[in-house]
Amino acid sequence: DIQMTQSPSSLSASVGDGVTITCQASQDISNYLNWYQQKPGKAPKLLIHDASNLETGVPSRFRGSGSGTYFTFTISSLQPEDVATYYCQQYGDLFTFGGGTKVEIK
Amino acid sequence: EVHLVESGGGLVQPGGSLKLSCAASGFTFSGSTMHWVRQPSGKGLEWVGRIRSKANSYATAYAASLKGRFTISRDDLKNTAYLQINSLKTEDTAVYYCTRGVGGDARWGQGTLVSVSS
Repeated sequence: DIQMTQSPSSLSASVGDGVTITCQASQDISNYLNWYQQKPGKAPKLLIHDASNLETGVPSRFRGSGSGTYFTFTISSLQPEDVATYYCQQYGDLFTFGGGTKVEIK
Repeated sequence: EVHLVESGGGLVQPGGSLKLSCAASGFTFSGSTMHWVRQPSGKGLEWVGRIRSKANSYATAYAASLKGRFTISRDDLKNTAYLQINSLKTEDTAVYYCTRGVGGDARWGQGTLVSVSS
């Protein structure tokens, strides 16, 4: 089974700051990676698909990059509405999720 | 527009069984692989399993840690996927989501809550 190691588990930053989350796969998954945003009581929302493609309607401050085993997710300028938990998900072999990163405003 | 609606959750006693449903619309259900994912309150997402299409022999796969008590099935005439959970344990308490597609085709339902308690 493919394992996904996501870090950090939580972070706190000021409005306007850039934040970065990383996800490392235990084996090569090419670009078979999605990033989701989840707010309390809601289903996960797809932000980035295929590692670096912005989902339609998602603000351009969200960005994904990487391939193989190392991936990054960046919010270029943190906004209050970005407070949420973010998950990476690999679909190279079945599904595996990272442990999540809780993003808060300082 | 893709629409997935889960139902069948509720309060169940330990040792009981439950069958969740996922009603699909807005896409060719019969040709799609369907997955189930669960999320205990305050915790992360856990993949439960998936069922492939008829063309792929309705092949199922499950998370190694969950094998044995979970069974995924589908009825292509009803555009519905199912998750049967037997011998329920308190640790099965979670919101259960169905999802379809990968990459940019990924779509999720709103989830159904399963609570296991005596």
